[in-house]
Amino acid sequence: DQQVKQNSPSLSVQEGRISILNCDYTNSMFDYFLWYKKYPAEGPTFLISISSIKDKNEDGRFTVFLNKSAKHLSLHIVPSQPGDSAVYFCAASPTGTASKLTFGTGTRLQVTL
Amino acid sequence: DSGVTQTPKHLITATGQRVTLRCSPRSGDLSVYWYQQSLDQGLQFLIQYYNGEERAKGNILERFSAQQFPDLHSELNLSSLELGDSALYFCASSVGTAGTQYFGPGTRLLVL
Repeated sequence: DQQVKQNSPSLSVQEGRISILNCDYTNSMFDYFLWYKKYPAEGPTFLISISSIKDKNEDGRFTVFLNKSAKHLSLHIVPSQPGDSAVYFCAASPTGTASKLTFGTGTRLQVTL
Repeated sequence: DSGVTQTPKHLITATGQRVTLRCSPRSGDLSVYWYQQSLDQGLQFLIQYYNGEERAKGNILERFSAQQFPDLHSELNLSSLELGDSALYFCASSVGTAGTQYFGPGTRLLVL
């Protein structure tokens, strides 16, 4: 039972354009959400998070949007850069913190020149 | 480099065997987490230790066990291995019980 779903296994975006990565969840107990980025042969790296009391959180080129009624979150990267090419995982927690995380299966982002 | 180290990087073994994966957390971090990533799956949370004590448990099989030692390094023991245990095993650490987790590079286990 996949409680956190990333339905797009891959995404290709041109450099300078917006990348939008999507994530859906089914467990209504989740109240804290995170995005991680992973390069090959490395572990995931924390990118940005959002609490369920907010609907948007921004950090530089990265913005996460949360739609609780739709149980959907998205990560926007603007402008996309070649160094953003990686696998992006969304994760969710029912604890209001970054513990007991449930991860999605990941979306591979390729930023082309 | 996250500061979290995992050994070995790769491990090949046979069904029925037992292996031990090792993790050293970042300096100052008291929590250690273990995750399993099977092919085409997300990371599955297995277990968390905080300052030597088990803090939280996820979908960890009874054949798997973990511990955290006084120097805060952790070991994940996998026994009676099955083909389906082949996966990437990640360790992460955080300062407290619920802070940002920093991941190691993982141990790739192949069970033949």
